[in-house]
Amino acid sequence: GENVEQHPSTLSVQEGDSAVIKCTYSDSASNYFPWYKQELGKGPQLIIDIRSNVGEKKDQRIAVTLNKTAKHFSLHITETQPEDSAVYFCAAVGLVVTDKLIFGTGTRLQVFP
Amino acid sequence: GAVVSQHPSWVICKSGTSVKIECRSLDFQATTMFWYRQFPKQSLMLMATSNEGSKATYEQGVEKDKFLINHASLTLSTLTVTSAHPEDSSFYICSARDAGGDNQPQHFGDGTRLSIL
Repeated sequence: GENVEQHPSTLSVQEGDSAVIKCTYSDSASNYFPWYKQELGKGPQLIIDIRSNVGEKKDQRIAVTLNKTAKHFSLHITETQPEDSAVYFCAAVGLVVTDKLIFGTGTRLQVFP
Repeated sequence: GAVVSQHPSWVICKSGTSVKIECRSLDFQATTMFWYRQFPKQSLMLMATSNEGSKATYEQGVEKDKFLINHASLTLSTLTVTSAHPEDSSFYICSARDAGGDNQPQHFGDGTRLSIL
Protein backbone atom coordinates (compact mmCIF):
# COMPACT_ATOMS: atom_id res chain seq x y z
CA GLY A 1 0.00 0.00 0.00
CA GLU A 2 0.91 3.64 -0.04
CA ASN A 3 3.51 4.70 2.46
CA VAL A 4 5.23 7.92 3.49
CA GLU A 5 8.47 7.77 5.44
CA GLN A 6 9.63 10.81 7.39
CA HIS A 7 13.01 11.63 8.92
CA PRO A 8 14.23 12.57 11.40
CA SER A 9 11.79 11.74 14.16
CA THR A 10 13.27 14.45 16.38
CA LEU A 11 15.29 17.51 15.49
CA SER A 12 16.86 20.04 17.83
CA VAL A 13 18.31 23.27 16.50
CA GLN A 14 19.55 26.56 17.88
CA GLU A 15 17.46 29.62 17.25
CA GLY A 16 18.44 31.14 13.93
CA ASP A 17 19.66 27.90 12.42
CA SER A 18 17.93 26.07 9.58
CA ALA A 19 15.90 22.89 9.93
CA VAL A 20 15.29 20.31 7.23
CA ILE A 21 12.79 17.48 7.35
CA LYS A 22 12.70 14.85 4.63
CA CYS A 23 9.97 12.55 3.37
CA THR A 24 9.83 9.74 0.87
CA TYR A 25 6.64 8.44 -0.69
CA SER A 26 5.94 5.14 -2.36
CA ASP A 27 3.11 5.88 -4.79
CA SER A 28 4.57 7.35 -7.97
CA ALA A 29 1.10 8.63 -8.85
CA SER A 30 1.04 10.97 -5.86
CA ASN A 31 0.51 14.52 -7.02
CA TYR A 32 -0.03 16.69 -3.97
CA PHE A 33 2.19 17.07 -0.91
CA PRO A 34 1.09 19.19 2.07
CA TRP A 35 3.03 19.89 5.24
CA TYR A 36 1.32 20.34 8.57
CA LYS A 37 2.47 21.80 11.88
CA GLN A 38 0.85 20.44 15.02
CA GLU A 39 1.24 22.18 18.33
CA LEU A 40 0.52 20.41 21.58
CA GLY A 41 -3.16 19.72 22.10
CA LYS A 42 -4.18 21.18 18.76
CA GLY A 43 -5.04 19.96 15.32
CA PRO A 44 -2.58 20.04 12.42
CA GLN A 45 -2.24 23.36 10.64
CA LEU A 46 -1.39 23.50 6.95
CA ILE A 47 1.81 25.51 6.53
CA ILE A 48 2.76 24.88 2.93
CA ASP A 49 1.96 22.50 0.10
CA ILE A 50 3.34 21.63 -3.29
CA ARG A 51 1.88 19.99 -6.36
CA SER A 52 3.68 17.61 -8.62
CA ASN A 53 4.04 20.07 -11.49
CA VAL A 54 6.53 22.24 -9.57
CA GLY A 55 9.85 21.47 -7.95
CA GLU A 56 10.01 24.14 -5.26
CA LYS A 57 7.76 26.51 -3.41
CA LYS A 58 8.66 29.16 -0.86
CA ASP A 59 6.66 31.15 1.66
CA GLN A 60 8.80 33.51 3.76
CA ARG A 61 10.98 31.32 6.00
CA ILE A 62 9.45 28.07 4.81
CA ALA A 63 10.20 26.23 1.59
CA VAL A 64 9.34 22.84 0.19
CA THR A 65 11.21 20.98 -2.53
CA LEU A 66 9.98 18.02 -4.54
CA ASN A 67 12.00 15.47 -6.48
CA LYS A 68 9.49 13.34 -8.35
CA THR A 69 12.11 11.04 -9.83
CA ALA A 70 13.42 10.08 -6.42
CA LYS A 71 9.98 10.40 -4.79
CA HIS A 72 11.41 12.71 -2.15
CA PHE A 73 10.10 15.96 -0.76
CA SER A 74 11.56 18.14 1.96
CA LEU A 75 10.59 20.98 4.26
CA HIS A 76 13.13 23.71 4.89
CA ILE A 77 12.73 26.23 7.69
CA THR A 78 15.27 29.04 7.80
CA GLU A 79 16.04 31.41 10.66
CA THR A 80 14.20 29.19 13.11
CA GLN A 81 12.46 30.71 16.10
CA PRO A 82 11.30 29.12 19.36
CA GLU A 83 7.69 29.36 18.17
CA ASP A 84 8.58 27.00 15.32
CA SER A 85 8.84 24.25 17.94
CA ALA A 86 6.11 21.70 17.18
CA VAL A 87 5.52 18.37 15.47
CA TYR A 88 5.64 18.54 11.69
CA PHE A 89 3.90 16.01 9.44
CA CYS A 90 4.40 15.52 5.76
CA ALA A 91 1.66 13.91 3.71
CA ALA A 92 0.98 12.73 0.21
CA VAL A 93 -2.18 12.35 -1.82
CA GLY A 94 -2.26 9.92 -4.71
CA LEU A 95 -4.24 9.97 -7.93
CA VAL A 96 -5.80 6.62 -7.22
CA VAL A 97 -7.23 7.65 -3.86
CA THR A 98 -7.24 11.39 -4.33
CA ASP A 99 -9.18 12.13 -1.18
CA LYS A 100 -6.93 10.45 1.33
CA LEU A 101 -3.88 11.92 2.98
CA ILE A 102 -1.12 9.46 3.76
CA PHE A 103 0.80 10.96 6.67
CA GLY A 104 4.41 10.57 7.60
CA THR A 105 5.30 9.59 11.15
CA GLY A 106 6.07 13.14 12.23
CA THR A 107 9.13 15.12 13.29
CA ARG A 108 9.34 16.78 16.66
CA LEU A 109 11.24 20.02 16.15
CA GLN A 110 12.70 21.85 19.13
CA VAL A 111 14.21 25.27 18.67
CA PHE A 112 16.35 26.37 21.58
CA PRO A 113 16.75 30.08 22.31
CA GLY B 1 -10.17 31.69 5.83
CA ALA B 2 -10.56 27.89 5.82
CA VAL B 3 -11.53 27.51 9.44
CA VAL B 4 -12.73 24.19 10.80
CA SER B 5 -14.40 24.19 14.18
CA GLN B 6 -14.59 21.04 16.26
CA HIS B 7 -16.71 20.66 19.36
CA PRO B 8 -16.33 19.72 22.14
CA SER B 9 -12.60 20.13 22.66
CA TRP B 10 -12.57 17.87 25.69
CA VAL B 11 -15.03 15.35 27.04
CA ILE B 12 -14.88 12.99 29.99
CA CYS B 13 -17.63 10.45 30.43
CA LYS B 14 -18.46 7.12 31.95
CA SER B 15 -18.04 3.81 30.21
CA GLY B 16 -21.12 2.89 28.19
CA THR B 17 -21.99 6.46 27.28
CA SER B 18 -22.34 7.61 23.68
CA VAL B 19 -20.47 10.75 22.73
CA LYS B 20 -21.11 12.99 19.75
CA ILE B 21 -18.40 15.18 18.22
CA GLU B 22 -19.21 17.92 15.74
CA CYS B 23 -17.05 19.19 12.92
CA ARG B 24 -18.01 22.37 11.09
CA SER B 25 -16.43 24.20 8.20
CA LEU B 26 -17.07 27.84 9.04
CA ASP B 27 -16.19 29.74 5.89
CA PHE B 28 -16.25 27.19 3.11
CA GLN B 29 -18.32 24.29 1.89
CA ALA B 30 -16.96 20.81 2.37
CA THR B 31 -18.35 17.94 0.36
CA THR B 32 -15.81 15.70 2.02
CA MET B 33 -14.80 15.55 5.65
CA PHE B 34 -12.42 13.14 7.30
CA TRP B 35 -12.19 11.70 10.78
CA TYR B 36 -8.86 10.78 12.30
CA ARG B 37 -7.71 9.27 15.53
CA GLN B 38 -4.36 10.12 17.06
CA PHE B 39 -2.61 8.32 19.88
CA PRO B 40 0.06 10.11 21.95
CA LYS B 41 3.24 10.82 20.03
CA GLN B 42 1.91 9.11 16.93
CA SER B 43 0.74 10.15 13.52
CA LEU B 44 -2.85 10.62 12.46
CA MET B 45 -4.79 7.49 11.60
CA LEU B 46 -7.65 7.92 9.16
CA MET B 47 -10.84 6.35 10.46
CA ALA B 48 -13.36 7.28 7.80
CA THR B 49 -14.19 9.56 4.93
CA SER B 50 -17.48 11.38 5.16
CA ASN B 51 -19.26 12.57 2.04
CA GLU B 52 -22.20 14.92 2.21
CA GLY B 53 -25.45 13.14 1.60
CA SER B 54 -24.04 9.63 1.42
CA LYS B 55 -22.73 6.91 3.68
CA ALA B 56 -19.27 7.25 5.12
CA THR B 57 -16.43 5.08 3.92
CA TYR B 58 -14.61 3.41 6.78
CA GLU B 59 -11.00 2.32 6.85
CA GLN B 60 -10.16 -1.30 7.41
CA GLY B 61 -10.47 -2.27 11.04
CA VAL B 62 -12.73 0.61 12.03
CA GLU B 63 -16.12 -0.54 13.30
CA LYS B 64 -18.84 1.42 11.54
CA ASP B 65 -21.42 0.51 14.18
CA LYS B 66 -19.10 1.80 16.87
CA PHE B 67 -18.19 5.05 15.16
CA LEU B 68 -21.30 6.51 13.55
CA ILE B 69 -20.70 9.28 11.05
CA ASN B 70 -23.28 11.64 9.67
CA HIS B 71 -22.60 14.34 7.08
CA ALA B 72 -25.97 15.99 6.68
CA SER B 73 -24.86 19.29 5.20
CA LEU B 74 -21.95 20.87 3.36
CA THR B 75 -20.67 22.38 6.58
CA LEU B 76 -21.31 19.79 9.26
CA SER B 77 -20.21 16.25 9.97
CA THR B 78 -20.66 14.41 13.25
CA LEU B 79 -18.92 11.43 14.77
CA THR B 80 -20.72 9.50 17.47
CA VAL B 81 -18.75 7.06 19.55
CA THR B 82 -21.38 4.61 20.71
CA SER B 83 -21.18 2.77 24.01
CA ALA B 84 -17.71 4.17 24.63
CA HIS B 85 -15.19 2.18 26.63
CA PRO B 86 -11.79 3.15 28.06
CA GLU B 87 -10.02 1.81 24.98
CA ASP B 88 -11.87 4.42 22.92
CA SER B 89 -10.08 7.16 24.82
CA SER B 90 -8.05 9.11 22.29
CA PHE B 91 -7.64 12.38 20.43
CA TYR B 92 -10.15 12.59 17.59
CA ILE B 93 -9.55 15.11 14.83
CA CYS B 94 -11.69 16.04 11.86
CA SER B 95 -10.70 17.73 8.65
CA ALA B 96 -12.64 19.26 5.81
CA ARG B 97 -11.73 19.55 2.18
CA ASP B 98 -12.91 22.56 0.23
CA ALA B 99 -15.46 21.63 -2.43
CA GLY B 100 -13.76 23.82 -5.01
CA GLY B 101 -11.92 21.32 -7.23
CA ASP B 102 -9.45 18.47 -7.08
CA ASN B 103 -6.67 18.25 -4.54
CA GLN B 104 -7.88 21.09 -2.41
CA PRO B 105 -6.12 21.18 0.97
CA GLN B 106 -7.58 19.51 3.99
CA HIS B 107 -8.07 21.88 6.91
CA PHE B 108 -8.16 20.43 10.39
CA GLY B 109 -10.12 21.17 13.50
CA ASP B 110 -8.40 21.43 16.86
CA GLY B 111 -9.41 17.96 17.93
CA THR B 112 -11.49 16.42 20.70
CA ARG B 113 -9.81 14.72 23.58
CA LEU B 114 -12.07 11.90 24.68
CA SER B 115 -11.50 10.27 28.06
CA ILE B 116 -13.67 7.33 29.06
CA LEU B 117 -13.63 6.41 32.73
